[in-house]
Amino acid sequence: GDSVTQMEGPVTLSEEAFLTINCTYTATGYPSLFWYVQYPGEGLQLLLKATKADDKGSNKGFEATYRKETTSFHLEKGSVQVSDSAVYFCALSPALGSYDKVIFGPGTSLSVIP
Amino acid sequence: GAVVSQHPSWVICKSGTSVKIECRSLDFQATTMFWYRQFPKQSLMLMATSNEGSKATYEQGVEKDKFLINHASLTLSTLTVTSAHPEDSSFYICRGAGYTFGSGTRLTVV
Repeated sequence: GDSVTQMEGPVTLSEEAFLTINCTYTATGYPSLFWYVQYPGEGLQLLLKATKADDKGSNKGFEATYRKETTSFHLEKGSVQVSDSAVYFCALSPALGSYDKVIFGPGTSLSVIP
Repeated sequence: GAVVSQHPSWVICKSGTSVKIECRSLDFQATTMFWYRQFPKQSLMLMATSNEGSKATYEQGVEKDKFLINHASLTLSTLTVTSAHPEDSSFYICRGAGYTFGSGTRLTVV
């Protein structure tokens, strides 16, 4: 079945460091891909998404490119801030508009220290 | 964009009591709402899908008599944890149209 795999955390970085959180997926067809962020004690917020191969999603300095050939959707940010400390979830939806199925990865905890 | 309002954000209750969690769609009509549970430091697990005007669809292993879902209107879905026990303590979160989540409810049963 469809699944999402993320790099295990926790990840600890110094402020202004470069961030990469790896995400790979297994799916049939052409899924939509997402990154969600969960700040401590809060719900999930959609960070960015991509709906087809080679699309790049970007928001708040984060970006991720939908790579069908490597079935990956790695999250990157050039310079992290303390306020980026959160848990990041990679997710997929099997087909655009298929709202009933959103499959989440296990999440990666990021801590950014001053 | 679509906004889902979830209340309460946290609740502490005694064992044996019931707790109701509400999710409201503020600027759209939600014919469907999804309910998730998240254990500490883990990912989200889909519990059930609520459908306006009809019975909810539960995922395998989720007790429908334990987690009562009602979706009586196009803007409100509720999850009631009945006869709560400490093992029900968790973070519950709903998802509405598209990919918009509520802010979550931290339930602690003592």
